Amino acid sequence: AQTVTQSQPEMSVQEAETVTLSCTYDTSESDYYLFWYKQPPSRQMILVIRQEAYKQQNATENRFSVNFQKAAKSFSLKISDSQLGDAAMYFCAYRSVASGTYKYIFGTGTRLKVLA
Amino acid sequence: DVKVTQSSRYLVKRTGEKVFLECVQDMDHENMFWYRQDPGLGLRLIYFSYDVKMKEKGDIPEGYSVSREKKERFSLILESASTNQTSMYLCASSLVEGGFQRAIYEQYFGPGTRLTVT
Repeated sequence: AQTVTQSQPEMSVQEAETVTLSCTYDTSESDYYLFWYKQPPSRQMILVIRQEAYKQQNATENRFSVNFQKAAKSFSLKISDSQLGDAAMYFCAYRSVASGTYKYIFGTGTRLKVLA
Repeated sequence: DVKVTQSSRYLVKRTGEKVFLECVQDMDHENMFWYRQDPGLGLRLIYFSYDVKMKEKGDIPEGYSVSREKKERFSLILESASTNQTSMYLCASSLVEGGFQRAIYEQYFGPGTRLTVT
């Protein structure tokens, strides 16, 4: 069974600085998607970034980028120029593309604090 | 924008009560999900539905049931609420993964219902 591990329950970053959130996963599959979701306090969870395992190029969305290391089964999220609005719970998630599957496997989350 | 709404943000119920949590999405998504979110445990899937009247158990279905009579609405039912069901409940929806085009669609989440069972 696949597992997703986020080993940092909480992280802090100074405004305008860069922070990296870690995520590792375990799978025997070669074809899958990885996601980072953001859950701001008392607000809805939203997708931050998505990576397809077959794409070697790391995904980037504005100030958010990932470091996808398939062999190491690592999928870290880098937030550049951190802003107060980046403070949230961040979840890493795995999704197989195998036929008949539908489950998203979530990590336990990392709470990011942004210090002014 | 996709909108997923949940009937209540906060709910307080007594042990043994039957509890209904409602979720509605407005983007004609086929897939709908109910998760439970607890600190240190992340999101755990309770039930999943891929079509009207179709459902599949997730990782923690015990003590819960679901109903999907219309495509846009997915209800989570706690038949007899217990204190260990105090939690945040999140609903999500997504398009079905499509045909010859490989695409794993993101999930769109509702705001959550914080349920307290006393």
